[in-house]
Amino acid sequence: KQEVTQIPAALSVPEGENLVLNCSFTDSAIYNLQWFRQDPGKGLTSLLLIQSSQREQTSGRLNASLDKSSGRSTLYIAASQPGDSATYLCAVFVTTDSWGKFQFGAGTQVVVTP
Amino acid sequence: KAGVTQTPRYLIKTRGQQVTLSCSPISGHRSVSWYQQTPGQGLQFLFEYFSETQRNKGNFPGRFSGRQFSNSRSEMNVSTLELGDSALYLCASSLVSGAGDTGELFFGEGSRLTVL
Repeated sequence: KQEVTQIPAALSVPEGENLVLNCSFTDSAIYNLQWFRQDPGKGLTSLLLIQSSQREQTSGRLNASLDKSSGRSTLYIAASQPGDSATYLCAVFVTTDSWGKFQFGAGTQVVVTP
Repeated sequence: KAGVTQTPRYLIKTRGQQVTLSCSPISGHRSVSWYQQTPGQGLQFLFEYFSETQRNKGNFPGRFSGRQFSNSRSEMNVSTLELGDSALYLCASSLVSGAGDTGELFFGEGSRLTVL
């Protein structure tokens, strides 16, 4: 059974510092991995999707890497800003008896202080 | 381009009642999935529909059901509500072009259900 873990559960950084968020999964047989952010009481906003054949994906200040063999993905956010404060979740697509589903981690709550 | 739209955004029900939530996916997206989010359990997969067929189902009791219409809009229903059903219900859509293509998930703002 696929387990997705995000450590730490919460972190606080001063503005301008780079953020490093971790996502671990137990089964390397994944189709893809997606990173999201969620603001309080809101839905999830897609940040980056990494296909299983890719090693990394970049969008602006965000960079996500994927290492299937070690079951890890890392999301880097450069030069953090207070507006980056949110909960960040990763999800991996796993196969089931009938097609598949996304399995989510519990998220990392980030606070960027001015 | 309109995003995923969920209605209603907030609702309050009492135990024993039933509720129906609606989701309109992004235009052209044929896959719609539903998730329950609670502080204790996080995001839990409910079910996924593609072209009006349920392709996958999570580990929830039969009180939770759903359907998808020919225009890809989806509804989920919870019957005989319990206090523990209080949660944020999220709908997501994706553009799935073929076998093995999971597509990027796009979420709506959610429907916040409170059961009293």
